[in-house]
Amino acid sequence: GNSVTQMEGPVTLSEEAFLTINCTYTATGYPSLFWYVQYPGEGLQLLLKATKADDKGSNKGFEATYRKETTSFHLEKGSVQVSDSAVYFCALSDKTNFGNEKLTFGTGTRLTIIP
Amino acid sequence: NAGVTQTPKFRVLKTGQSMTLLCAQDMNHEYMYWYRQDPGMGLRLIHYSVGEGTTAKGEVPDGYNVSRLKKQNFLLGLESAAPSQTSVYFCASTTPGLAESSYEQYFGPGTRLTVT
Repeated sequence: GNSVTQMEGPVTLSEEAFLTINCTYTATGYPSLFWYVQYPGEGLQLLLKATKADDKGSNKGFEATYRKETTSFHLEKGSVQVSDSAVYFCALSDKTNFGNEKLTFGTGTRLTIIP
Repeated sequence: NAGVTQTPKFRVLKTGQSMTLLCAQDMNHEYMYWYRQDPGMGLRLIHYSVGEGTTAKGEVPDGYNVSRLKKQNFLLGLESAAPSQTSVYFCASTTPGLAESSYEQYFGPGTRLTVT
């Protein structure tokens, strides 16, 4: 079945550092890929997405490119802020027998930014 | 517009007790999902629903039942709670009305359940 492998955390960085969180996937077909973010005490929110190979998703200074050849969707940000401290989840979409989409998530990476 | 809400926020149960978690959404979404979140395991799908009266099993359905009697509500039941069901439970919703290629699930704030 489909699966998502995500960089183990936790990750601790200083403010303004460069961030990379690795994500690779195994899937049949061509799933859409997502990064969700979970701030402390909250539910998950969509951060960015890419729906086909070579697409780049971007939001709030974060970027990720759908790389079919390496089955990867690494999350990057050039200069992190304290407010970026959260747990980040990589996910892919999959169709059920009913035709709706369901998400398969990675294990999450906790990011802490130190001032 | 409240989005997705979950009741209760916290609960402690003794082994063998039963309870129901309520998820409500006011976005007229067709699809609803229940996940559990455990340390080191990410989110795992328990059950989902594609419409009123229709439910299906996800990845980890054992020990749980669900019902979707009204479009806006999705209930998750634990008939006989076990310590292994200690977790944070999230509900999510979406709809096929959104662009097919921009699938996004909207999550509730979660319910933290402890079974002793």
